[in-house]
Amino acid sequence: DAGITQSPRYKITETGRQVTLMCHQTWSHSYMFWYRQDLGHGLRLIYYSAAADITDKGEVPDGYVVSRSKTENFPLTLESATRSQTSVYFCAIGGTGSGYTFGSGTRLTVV
Amino acid sequence: AQKVTQAQTEISVVEKEDVTLDCVYETRDTTYYLFWYKQPPSGELVFLIRRNSFDEQNEISGRYSWNFQKSTSSFNFTITASQVVDSAVYFCALSESPGANNLFFGTGTRLTVIP
Repeated sequence: DAGITQSPRYKITETGRQVTLMCHQTWSHSYMFWYRQDLGHGLRLIYYSAAADITDKGEVPDGYVVSRSKTENFPLTLESATRSQTSVYFCAIGGTGSGYTFGSGTRLTVV
Repeated sequence: AQKVTQAQTEISVVEKEDVTLDCVYETRDTTYYLFWYKQPPSGELVFLIRRNSFDEQNEISGRYSWNFQKSTSSFNFTITASQVVDSAVYFCALSESPGANNLFFGTGTRLTVIP
């Protein structure tokens, strides 16, 4: 049981297109997070969610939309993809008490 | 404001050498958590350790050890007798409050262990 699953693993999309990255957990953690990883920046928080229907912005939210209608799913949508959004995206669950578990990542290329 | 600095961008060592990865953090909170993660070439993030601000005891786990010093705001990571499998990018991270708050990451240190 992987606990946290991201899909797709790889995605190539064109500038201006909408794309959604999926994150699914089987452990019913309240908190879920989306990070992006870029060379020279480490990982930066895009959005996070404390529970179903509760979301908040992180460090770099511009150009992204999230929703959380069910506890187990936390999709990340790029409404109009730009080349600057080419990155590796990680979903995470947990917190300081239980620790943070990361998904395998989605490598997104915007051409 | 919170900040994590990993000044070493890349380190290369020969197998069996010891290596220390530095991590310096900034925070105004008195309660915070520090983490180390390993990212091997396959790309996943592997949890290594979590330390809270009230526990300054050093920790050893096999060939890995961590030195937490609040006086210098550092949380350094040492690998003893390095192996090729230790080659990875290592991230230090900080979370400022109990509960599920943001993890602030350093920019990572790429460690290459040469056989």
